[in-house]
Amino acid sequence: DAGITQSPRYKITETGRQVTLMCHQTWSHSYMFWYRQDLGHGLRLIYYSAAADITDKGEVPDGYVVSRSKTENFPLTLESATRSQTSVYFCASRNYRSEEAFFGQGTRLTVV
Amino acid sequence: RKEVEQDPGPFNVPEGATVAFNCTYSNSASQSFFWYRQDCRKEPKLLMSVYSSGNEDGRFTAQLNRASQYISLLIRDSKLSDSATYLCVVPSSGGYQKVTFGIGTKLQVIP
Repeated sequence: DAGITQSPRYKITETGRQVTLMCHQTWSHSYMFWYRQDLGHGLRLIYYSAAADITDKGEVPDGYVVSRSKTENFPLTLESATRSQTSVYFCASRNYRSEEAFFGQGTRLTVV
Repeated sequence: RKEVEQDPGPFNVPEGATVAFNCTYSNSASQSFFWYRQDCRKEPKLLMSVYSSGNEDGRFTAQLNRASQYISLLIRDSKLSDSATYLCVVPSSGGYQKVTFGIGTKLQVIP
């Protein structure tokens, strides 16, 4: 299907485990972003990517790793999950010519 | 001062009412502004862009006040379906490709 999709939609993991959240877009958008959304904080940028093999830190990158070997995929890895990483994670993409960002449906992650 | 500030609400308004939200920003160099809408437990979606000259789309009007560094969203003749959280988005001081989202203002339209 066309668009931007995230998987899994829901995930429960234990403290200390490594978790990877997947993001796939079919538009060949240059820019991709990972945000987390928590009550009282709104959406905060974790990492972003301007193109394949180009990534950069956002506002809250600690504890996360990203890669972008292909334009369409932008996985987010929590190297050793902590309870403070319990959140809703949104992936987004944007064409370099447009200012509108399109969001995936989100991944609700719970770290126990 | 935070990069972007919004009143989280909730704003509870009756159907048919006019309601307005403001959003203040700190980066005076910001050029592009947006309002996104987020329904409960869903992803944010672009509602409208905010231009220097203002922007109107049906019942929705967005305005920019550069002197006071705020943007506003006005909703006329509120519908039940307008109930959502409205996110203000401004360019981040960290680079043109990044933006900062406000915390969002929750609107509840009641019958």
